[in-house]
Amino acid sequence: KNEVEQSPQNLTAQEGEFITINCSYSVGISALHWLQQHPGGGIVSLFMLSSGKKKHGRLIATINIQEKHSSLHITASHPRDSAVYICAVLPGGATNKLIFGTGTLLAVQP
Amino acid sequence: KAGVTQTPRYLIKTRGQQVTLSCSPISGHRSVSWYQQTPGQGLQFLFEYFSETQRNKGNFPGRFSGRQFSNSRSEMNVSTLELGDSALYLCASSLVHYEQYFGPGTRLTVT
Repeated sequence: KNEVEQSPQNLTAQEGEFITINCSYSVGISALHWLQQHPGGGIVSLFMLSSGKKKHGRLIATINIQEKHSSLHITASHPRDSAVYICAVLPGGATNKLIFGTGTLLAVQP
Repeated sequence: KAGVTQTPRYLIKTRGQQVTLSCSPISGHRSVSWYQQTPGQGLQFLFEYFSETQRNKGNFPGRFSGRQFSNSRSEMNVSTLELGDSALYLCASSLVHYEQYFGPGTRLTVT
């Protein structure tokens, strides 16, 4: 069993829909990252969370440390949101070694 | 402030050759981490350097090595390349423990 699990693996939505991607992890962490990768592109860090909730534009990320669960929400989705979204956790301790989920491939259709 | 830069961006090598990839972190960042991304294995941690010292290492063979210079720039080297080494190699720099800023990556193709 992977230490970081994401669901769903694939997601197709219509433009304007509200989207939720989930991430569950089994290790103790000091932080959790949500990353975005467009096809053939590099990785962009969307959020870094250690507690609570963060919002940036149409993106919202939440984390529940007790339940070891995080969600990424996209409101009013747009075709340009089509990308792979990756959850990555940073275990506790003096390390920057991220553990990655397998990613969620999102396609938003116009 | 300039972001993380990686050179080269694309590289084609032949099996058995070696390759060196470079990463320049954001100014002031002393930690550099390297990751490999392949279609089959996804993203995996290679190693992390902090103040010229390797602080952590992933489960990769000894053909993969790295170093960090006094100006925090880092290089990784892969010797005796195999087809399976074809991947996107990413580096990330950080100033504080939990923040990481990713570079654009180097796409290595081994033929």
